[in-house]
Amino acid sequence: EADIYQTPRYLVIGTGKKITLECSQTMGHDKMYWYQQDPGMELHLIHYSYGVNSTEKGDLSSESTVSRIRTEHFPLTLESARPSHTSQYLCASSPPWGTIYFGEGSWLTVV
Amino acid sequence: AQRVTQPEKLLSVFKGAPVELKCNYSYSGSPELFWYVQYSRQRLQLLLRHISRESIKGFTADLNKGETSFHLKKPFAQEEDSAMYYCALSGTGGFKTIFGAGTRLFVKA
Repeated sequence: EADIYQTPRYLVIGTGKKITLECSQTMGHDKMYWYQQDPGMELHLIHYSYGVNSTEKGDLSSESTVSRIRTEHFPLTLESARPSHTSQYLCASSPPWGTIYFGEGSWLTVV
Repeated sequence: AQRVTQPEKLLSVFKGAPVELKCNYSYSGSPELFWYVQYSRQRLQLLLRHISRESIKGFTADLNKGETSFHLKKPFAQEEDSAMYYCALSGTGGFKTIFGAGTRLFVKA
C-alpha cells in the first residue's frame, strides 16, 4: 500500500548525540518535505526537495540537514541534538501540484 | 508576499450549531487552496481542496477570489469534528505549499 513511513516514532536522546530521522515513501512522489510542529501548533517547513540530489532549506532556520539520494528516501539528521530540538517532525510528500501526504510523525525529546 | 491567514486560533461551538473557520490568502498568481485536518492522535490529512468542489464530512469551502478567502463551513457541527484545521495554499511553477497557523475547533456536547 502506498504510504509514508517515519522511524523512529518516538525517540529520547541525550544532548550532543547525533540522530537521523528516517522517512520513506512508496507514493512515487518527487517532492518531499520535513516540517517541525509542536503539538497543535503551526507547521514550520524546515527542508524540502524537488527530486533526487535536490534539497532546499525551508522557512524556519534549522540546524538539521537532509539528503535525497533516492526518490523514496529523505532522511533528516541532527549532528548534535539540543533540548531546543525537542519537537515533532513530520515528513511529507506530494506530486508536482496538489495534495501533500503526511507521515505519522517522529516525536523527538532531547534531555 | 504569499501568505495564509487563519485569524482564529480557537473556535468553540455547540453540537448542532453552524461552524465557519476563516482563511484568507495573499498570492499573486492562481492559487490552489486546501483544508487539512488533524484529529487527535492521527496524522495530518487532506480534508478538501477547492478544485474538487465536493463536500467532505459535511464540510464545504468556496474560493472567493474577490475577497481572497477560502472559509470552511459546516451547517451542523458534530463532536467528532473537534480537531485542528489548517488552511493551505499551493501555486504553480513549483511554488511550495504554505500553511496557515491553524484553528483548533472544539465542538461541545
